[in-house]
Amino acid sequence: NAGVTQTPKFQVLKTGQSMTLQCAQDMNHEYMSWYRQDPGMGLRLIHYSVGAGITDQGEVPNGYNVSRSTTEDFPLRLLSAAPSQTSVYFCASRFTGNTVNSPLHFGNGTRLTVT
Amino acid sequence: AQSVTQPDIHITVSEGASLELRCNYSYGATPYLFWYVQSPGQGLQLLLKYFSGDTLVQGIKGFEAEFKRSQSSFNLRKPSVHWSDAAEYFCAVAAFSGGYNKLIFGAGTRLAVHP
Repeated sequence: NAGVTQTPKFQVLKTGQSMTLQCAQDMNHEYMSWYRQDPGMGLRLIHYSVGAGITDQGEVPNGYNVSRSTTEDFPLRLLSAAPSQTSVYFCASRFTGNTVNSPLHFGNGTRLTVT
Repeated sequence: AQSVTQPDIHITVSEGASLELRCNYSYGATPYLFWYVQSPGQGLQLLLKYFSGDTLVQGIKGFEAEFKRSQSSFNLRKPSVHWSDAAEYFCAVAAFSGGYNKLIFGAGTRLAVHP
């Protein structure tokens, strides 16, 4: 049971480049989410999904797109990378979207640098 | 708006000493509160959670936390710290929006343990 798997672990982009951060979970979790972690700011929610075909914005969605075509996968797309998007990105999932009884399971993160 | 404040950015304790990490929250209703731990290069792991009932909750790795409504606090404690407890600790509150709940994290407290 792999849990939440994020790829790549590290990525360096130039300003204006695009890329997709991959997230996959094998726990049949309905709820999946993306956070970014910046020093002194904790984790901030970018986008989340409560099931296949359903996505919504979090606190800091600008510059990011998501889609959820399957239960297992929730990719995060950067359409035109900016230095302000340099951060560590975490994908997290749990069983259901509208209860707190199921804890979040986190991946190990993707460290992104935009130059 | 819901928010979480962790007043201490860095804390250093000696191995075997007691530990208390502070967390204050802002939330209009009864809060659902969490403590997560992040080891270097890893994702976040749930230590403990509070939903209702007994205000002193026990978690993994010998940690406990006490919910104090009058002080809007949910401080994390451990009687005797081990070197392996060196990590970053995040307090979080579940916020309900649009019928679904999302976690709002504090900025984190980085714990160093001296031998």
